[in-house]
Amino acid sequence: GNSVTQMEGPVTLSEEAFLTINCTYTATGYPSLFWYVQYPGEGLQLLLKATKADDKGSNKGFEATYRKETTSFHLEKGSVQVSDSAVYFCALSDKGGSEKLVFGKGTKLTVNP
Amino acid sequence: NAGVTQTPKFRVLKTGQSMTLLCAQDMNHEYMYWYRQDPGMGLRLIHYSVGEGTTAKGEVPDGYNVSRLKKQNFLLGLESAAPSQTSVYFCASSGGVLANEQFFGPGTRLTVL
Repeated sequence: GNSVTQMEGPVTLSEEAFLTINCTYTATGYPSLFWYVQYPGEGLQLLLKATKADDKGSNKGFEATYRKETTSFHLEKGSVQVSDSAVYFCALSDKGGSEKLVFGKGTKLTVNP
Repeated sequence: NAGVTQTPKFRVLKTGQSMTLLCAQDMNHEYMYWYRQDPGMGLRLIHYSVGEGTTAKGEVPDGYNVSRLKKQNFLLGLESAAPSQTSVYFCASSGGVLANEQFFGPGTRLTVL
């Protein structure tokens, strides 16, 4: 079945540091890929997405590129801020009609001033 | 426009008690989902619905039932709660279009003693 493996946390960085959170997937066909973010005490919200190979999703300074050859969708940001502290989830959805999401286990990021 | 709302926000049950969690969305979305979030497990799909009057099982459906009598509401029921159902429950909805964003509610924290 479909699955998502993402870098285990927690990750602690200083403000303005470079961030990478690794995500790889296993899926039949060509799924859509997502990064969701969960701020403390809140539900998840979409950060960015990509629907086909070589697509780059970007939002709020975060980027991720859909790499079919390595089945990866790594999240990057060049300079993190304290306000980026959150839990980040990589996810995929099959294109079978229900748009169900399969999530990775989440990576907690803490950014210190 | 409230988005996705969940009732209640917190609940404590004793083993064997029953309860219903209510999810409501005001975005006229076709698809709705119930997930549970457990530490180190990410989010796992319990049940979902692709339209009014339809429901389907997700990854971890045992011990739960759902109903979608109205398009805007999706109810999750626990007939006989068990400590293993202690979790944070999230409802989500989407428009059903390919790779469309899922919008999440704020969550319900359930403890079963």
